Amino acid sequence: LAKTTQPISMDSYEGQEVNITCSHNNIATNDYITWYQQFPSQGPRFIIQGYKTKVTNEVASLFIPADRKSSTLSLPRVSLSDTAVYYCLVGGTGTASKLTFGTGTRLQVTL
Amino acid sequence: DSGVTQTPKHLITATGQRVTLRCSPRSGDLSVYWYQQSLDQGLQFLIQYYNGEERAKGNILERFSAQQFPDLHSELNLSSLELGDSALYFCASSIGQGASEAFFGQGTRLTVV
Repeated sequence: LAKTTQPISMDSYEGQEVNITCSHNNIATNDYITWYQQFPSQGPRFIIQGYKTKVTNEVASLFIPADRKSSTLSLPRVSLSDTAVYYCLVGGTGTASKLTFGTGTRLQVTL
Repeated sequence: DSGVTQTPKHLITATGQRVTLRCSPRSGDLSVYWYQQSLDQGLQFLIQYYNGEERAKGNILERFSAQQFPDLHSELNLSSLELGDSALYFCASSIGQGASEAFFGQGTRLTVV
């Protein structure tokens, strides 16, 4: 199971772009990279998933370099409501792998 | 609303007791995952079921057990409760077995006194 490393915390001002990087040096060939968001006392919420290059949805973008040993979640123009913990997960789809969450990155957005 | 329903939302019980937490997955989802989250701690994976069968096991104590029924709902049984078992317990569901998009319930907050 690929181990992930993320910054423990980040601070940002409202309206800025936030980039959270996750390292996963021993990612396997069939592993996907998935990001979740969690607000206090709520269950995590799926944000985005990718395998390589770039994925974009209405909420975020995910950048994955060619070697796939890291990935960057990009949140455009954050607001106060984006204050949450963000988790990077690495695992294979279609297999009996488990959703293993690391410590996550605590993002604090202020005015 | 994720479509995953957990009951009860809150539970207060005494040490040594046994409780059952219930999870109804999203319609069509075959996988159910259970997690424990203590105060200011990360999400600890406990166990996963897929279509009624155990698929993966994490850091689940022997005092804890789970099962998934034919209608795909799942129950997590916690026995001989200790103060340290106080936590939020989350259930998640997904269509497949793997680490794809999963949907989490709102959790059951267990307080052991």
